[in-house]
Amino acid sequence: EAGVTQFPSHSVIEKGQTVTLRCDPISGHDNLYWYRRVMGKEIKFLLHFVKESKQDESGMPNNRFLAERTGGTYSTLKVQPAELEDSGVYFCASSQVLVVSSALAHNEQFFGPGTRLTVL
Amino acid sequence: AQSVTQLDSHVSVSEGTPVLLRCNYSSSYSPSLFWYVQHPNKGLQLLLKYTSAATLVKGINGFEAEFKKSETSFHLTKPSAHMSDAAEYFCVVTEGAGGFKTIFGAGTRLFVKA
Repeated sequence: EAGVTQFPSHSVIEKGQTVTLRCDPISGHDNLYWYRRVMGKEIKFLLHFVKESKQDESGMPNNRFLAERTGGTYSTLKVQPAELEDSGVYFCASSQVLVVSSALAHNEQFFGPGTRLTVL
Repeated sequence: AQSVTQLDSHVSVSEGTPVLLRCNYSSSYSPSLFWYVQHPNKGLQLLLKYTSAATLVKGINGFEAEFKKSETSFHLTKPSAHMSDAAEYFCVVTEGAGGFKTIFGAGTRLFVKA
């Protein structure tokens, strides 16, 4: 079974340019997540798709970030225009949630290798 | 509200000695708890998970963790460190109610000396 893949693995762009990151989840996984780790900081949640719908985008830093998941398969995360503080590693994860009860669900997420974004 | 605290940013052990990476959490609901490992230039790999079954969880590569509700802890241990264990380790909490919020600890970097 193929894992979560991300493209590109590295991207170096100049401030003001646009970059689009892509994530291909594990086939059949309805849940897709984006996370970001800025240098020296914690891994932070950005947003969560269930199929093609945004379930939670509370972690998106500002309106320069746009995530899409057309058709409920792969997802893209676009940064436009990029700023210096956007540099970091962007991780994608997917899962198929097993709901046990109204208060408990198992949500093992499978992570991609990440895209390292450097904004100069 | 959820939070995860990894008590040590760096841990250094000698090869063959025990490993202890500490994690405390807070959660309003029944949490699922995970430990992930990230080797240099690699993605995050699941080591083990706790999902309300046995409180002592065994994972890959000889790691295990014990869920202690009274102490709100989920420390990761291994009896004998190997050089290949040198990596960064993340304690992660997800909650089952609502939108499956996922919170990462800050990470603990494990160094293994020969």
